[in-house]
Amino acid sequence: DGGITQSPKYLFRKEGQNVTLSCEQNLNHDAMYWYRQDPGQGLRLIYYSQIVNDFQKGDIAEGYSVSREKKESFPLTVTSAQKNPTAFYLCASSIPRANSPLHFGNGTRLTVT
Amino acid sequence: QQPVQSPQAVILREGEDAVINCSSSKALYSVHWYRQKHGEAPVFLMILLKGGEQKGHEKISASFNEKKQQSSLYLTASQLSYSGTYFCGTGPAGYGGSQGNLIFGKGTKLSVKP
Repeated sequence: DGGITQSPKYLFRKEGQNVTLSCEQNLNHDAMYWYRQDPGQGLRLIYYSQIVNDFQKGDIAEGYSVSREKKESFPLTVTSAQKNPTAFYLCASSIPRANSPLHFGNGTRLTVT
Repeated sequence: QQPVQSPQAVILREGEDAVINCSSSKALYSVHWYRQKHGEAPVFLMILLKGGEQKGHEKISASFNEKKQQSSLYLTASQLSYSGTYFCGTGPAGYGGSQGNLIFGKGTKLSVKP
């Protein structure tokens, strides 16, 4: 079955450490996205990529970095510069067309202490 | 600008109807609707692209009033499985509906009781 896989489901890190969240899709979608979700805040876009080797900042890109070396993979690194990294992170993919839905992974809950 | 969803939360009995509204301060090209259960991935419900367009999905339908810059989600004869948080994502006019420009509301928590 096609879908998006995020790993791990739960991640714990100490403050000051960088951490990379994995996102893999086998839907053959060109576009991929990273969202951050905090309680009561909805989904906020961190980065998105519409094609391999190209990506754009979203609304809250500070303290995060991404790469898109392969069509099926879009890893997100949460750096030590991110002031409040504890959150639920969702990866999504889509066909880059206006009438195409976002397909979401099951998320990674990151806790930084 | 983040769209405003109302109400923030609603509690229903099985079989009752509900309406969730999503309003934007900007002209819109598209509106997406998703439902998310706690700790899970948001699930796609529908996309509306044209002003005044209505779409349906089982007993869930939606309208998009381009002039008013708002969309409404209608849930009829609610079932227990409808419980979750509903999010609208608005695509501003002028961006061709690129999902990279979607802005999501804060969500409406719907609880359906037996």
